[in-house]
Amino acid sequence: DTAVSQTPKYLVTQMGNDKSIKCEQNLGHDTMYWYKQDSKKFLKIMFSYNNKELIINETVPNRFSPKSPDKAHLNLHINSLELGDSAVYFCASSPFIGNQPQHFGDGTRLSIL
Amino acid sequence: QKEVEQDPGPLSVPEGAIVSLNCTYSNSAFQYFMWYRQYSRKGPELLMYTYSSGNKEDGRFTAQVDKSSKYISLFIRDSQPSDSATYLCAMSATGGTSYGKLTFGQGTILTVHP
Repeated sequence: DTAVSQTPKYLVTQMGNDKSIKCEQNLGHDTMYWYKQDSKKFLKIMFSYNNKELIINETVPNRFSPKSPDKAHLNLHINSLELGDSAVYFCASSPFIGNQPQHFGDGTRLSIL
Repeated sequence: QKEVEQDPGPLSVPEGAIVSLNCTYSNSAFQYFMWYRQYSRKGPELLMYTYSSGNKEDGRFTAQVDKSSKYISLFIRDSQPSDSATYLCAMSATGGTSYGKLTFGQGTILTVHP
């Protein structure tokens, strides 16, 4: 059973569209994260939720809106997609907020045409 | 200047070689240090997790942290073709703006050829 699973794996869409990515973890963790990995493989945090509460909100355009319906799920909605949004988006989870190792999903590859 | 610097490589070694991967950092608040391995089209997978300075060994992998020099290393002994991947160092702090999140290096691409 996959510990952190993301859907879809691939997303190809046109500029200006709105899309969502979903993440689920079955590890019983309290904290979940969204990271963005650019074409040079650099991973940067976007958001963190602890037990459905937003904890970390990096300098991300407000076109990106995370939502956590429960502590096992964290979704990412992106409005008005731009070419620069093309990247791989990774979801991760950890037992609780703090300095715990994080467990990653396999990513969603977003391509904007 | 990035908080965490990692030589992107690529690094190519023969099977059986000892591999040394390194990161330097500038934030003295970093206390927790991790190494992740990322295969192509997969998510990062945790390899090693250490706190503060010192060494930690797990099988063919040894992680070293030198906080006085702000320098961490990962050594891979008897490298195998299956070790071919991108290796990412990551760090977090006990407080401040880096608390609760991982700050990554840009990754080193390693190829081990038979």
